[in-house]
Amino acid sequence: DAKTTQPPSMDCAEGRAANLPCNHSTISGNEYVYWYRQIHSQGPQYIIHGLKNNETNEMASLIITEDRKSSTLILPHATLRDTAVYYCIVRVAASGSRLTFGEGTQLTVNP
Amino acid sequence: GAVVSQHPSRVICKSGTSVKIECRSLDFQATTMFWYRQFPKKSLMLMATSNEGSKATYEQGVEKDKFLINHASLTLSTLTVTSAHPEDSSFYICSAPTGPGLGNTIYFGEGSWLTVV
Repeated sequence: DAKTTQPPSMDCAEGRAANLPCNHSTISGNEYVYWYRQIHSQGPQYIIHGLKNNETNEMASLIITEDRKSSTLILPHATLRDTAVYYCIVRVAASGSRLTFGEGTQLTVNP
Repeated sequence: GAVVSQHPSRVICKSGTSVKIECRSLDFQATTMFWYRQFPKKSLMLMATSNEGSKATYEQGVEKDKFLINHASLTLSTLTVTSAHPEDSSFYICSAPTGPGLGNTIYFGEGSWLTVV
């Protein structure tokens, strides 16, 4: 499986952009990068996913480097409710829809 | 949008009894669904793949006779924890992909807290 590396924790001020990095240097050409977040005591919430192009939706933007070895999830205006564990996952062809979760990044948005 | 729903959200059962957790895809069909468990302050661990109309496939180390999975329809998978013990207390979460391709979104349920007393 393509492994991902994320910082264990990050802090962000409310109203500022939160930029969460993820390294996935062993990613293969047809494997997607997915981002989820998990707020305490809830199931993971889908945020965004991408293959090679940058993606944006109502929740966030996903910036993938040209060599696809890393990506950054951007929450443009973080709020207190964005405090959560954010998981970057590479969806591996051999595993199909079986996702392997790492430890993620605990993002804390401070007032 | 696509939603995956679990029921119950919380359940308490006595040791030795069995408890069933349901996972439903509300506005799409899923030929496969997935069951995870999560211990406090830990990440999600995949337990098994639920296959519509056929047997589930279990990850290494997961007891198939203890965690019975049934995927009777394209929108419903059930996980039954049999002869539950306190060590089975955990957060159980299901997921379902909206399609087979790698670019199709996978949604997760809200999770089900199981406490065995």
